[in-house]
Amino acid sequence: EDQVTQSPEALRLQEGESSSLNCSYTVSGLRGLFWYRQDPGKGPEFLFTLYSAGEEKEKERLKATLTKKESFLHITAPKPEDSATYLCAVQVISSGSARQLTFGSGTQLTVLP
Amino acid sequence: NAGVTQTPKFRVLKTGQSMTLLCAQDMNHEYMYWYRQDPGMGLRLIHYSVGEGTTAKGEVPDGYNVSRLKKQNFLLGLESAAPSQTSVYFCASRGASNEQFFGPGTRLTVL
Repeated sequence: EDQVTQSPEALRLQEGESSSLNCSYTVSGLRGLFWYRQDPGKGPEFLFTLYSAGEEKEKERLKATLTKKESFLHITAPKPEDSATYLCAVQVISSGSARQLTFGSGTQLTVLP
Repeated sequence: NAGVTQTPKFRVLKTGQSMTLLCAQDMNHEYMYWYRQDPGMGLRLIHYSVGEGTTAKGEVPDGYNVSRLKKQNFLLGLESAAPSQTSVYFCASRGASNEQFFGPGTRLTVL
């Protein structure tokens, strides 16, 4: 069974205090790993897709990396507007053309001014 | 483009009542998905569709039915609502670049 575990469940940072969120996965064959941001009362918003170990993607203060067992979302010098829940999801090869996503339970990030 | 829209935004039902949630997308996507999100459990796939006229079961399909009569619409039905179906429901569609685009969600409470 495919599993995705995110840690920590919640993280509080001071503005400017860099940190990392972890997403570890156990799957039969990884097609892609996705990061989403979710603000309260809204739907998830796509951030990154990573396809192979060693791949990195960046967007503003966020950088996502991928190994064969886990992915990290690094947040550099965060601002209060980065406060949100960050979701990780995997897409496995066996899902075929449907390409369903299996989600972790998320990390709730709070950045204090 | 409106992207993915969902109606209604909120709904309260009594046990045993039925309702339909509507999802619409204007991006001409073939693939559409229904998820439910519960505290501490992440998003779980209920049903999905790989094109007009097709539907398939996801991880948690019991108690739900779906229809995809038109490419742009994906309907989720609850025939006899139960308190365990209290949740936030999200619809998504998938484009050619593989990422899923989500709607704003429907918050459903079953009393």
